[in-house]
Amino acid sequence: DQQVKQNSPSLSVQEGRISILNCDYTNSMFDYFLWYKKYPAEGPTFLISISSIKDKNEDGRFTVFLNKSAKHLSLHIVPSQPGDSAVYFCAASSRVNTGNQFYFGTGTSLTVIP
Amino acid sequence: DVKVTQSSRYLVKRTGEKVFLECVQDMDHENMFWYRQDPGLGLRLIYFSYDVKMKEKGDIPEGYSVSREKKERFSLILESASTNQTSMYLCASHEGRGHRDTQYFGPGTRLTVL
Repeated sequence: DQQVKQNSPSLSVQEGRISILNCDYTNSMFDYFLWYKKYPAEGPTFLISISSIKDKNEDGRFTVFLNKSAKHLSLHIVPSQPGDSAVYFCAASSRVNTGNQFYFGTGTSLTVIP
Repeated sequence: DVKVTQSSRYLVKRTGEKVFLECVQDMDHENMFWYRQDPGLGLRLIYFSYDVKMKEKGDIPEGYSVSREKKERFSLILESASTNQTSMYLCASHEGRGHRDTQYFGPGTRLTVL
């Protein structure tokens, strides 16, 4: 059973606008969340993370929001740039299994239109 | 910078062949992982290892085996390749249990089984 879900397989956004990618999880033990970016024919690269003690983490154009009660997190990219076009995966882990198990969503393919 | 390398970027094999995929990391990480990525299914964990000679099954271990004889090297073995094992294979490493850090991924191996 998929414990981390990304319900939007794809998203298109105009350059300069905001991109919002969503992720839901079911396991209440998850307390550490990560976003990865993946270009075709390359491995995923780490983008940003958030611990469950926070509800927001920001790094430049990228902000991750965590809503623990809704078991929902989102990645905001502002402003979106054509180079942001990639597949984005969210991932989760729990304190019990930190470093041992990461659960990934199915990915959202973002296209930023120039 | 952490570097994770994989032995091949592209591989074409025939049904029934034995296939070895090798992964090497240079950061003395405890944990190493093998995933496969398929469209619409995201990253699915095949096996992971938390120490030399130690391994744990992931979500889809059937048809695969692994070997970790040295800390820096983690091999994925397809004993008898089948067409449904055509996929992108991704290796990752992580500092280890208790460390709040990202996984680091290799560039991936695109395997085609004919």
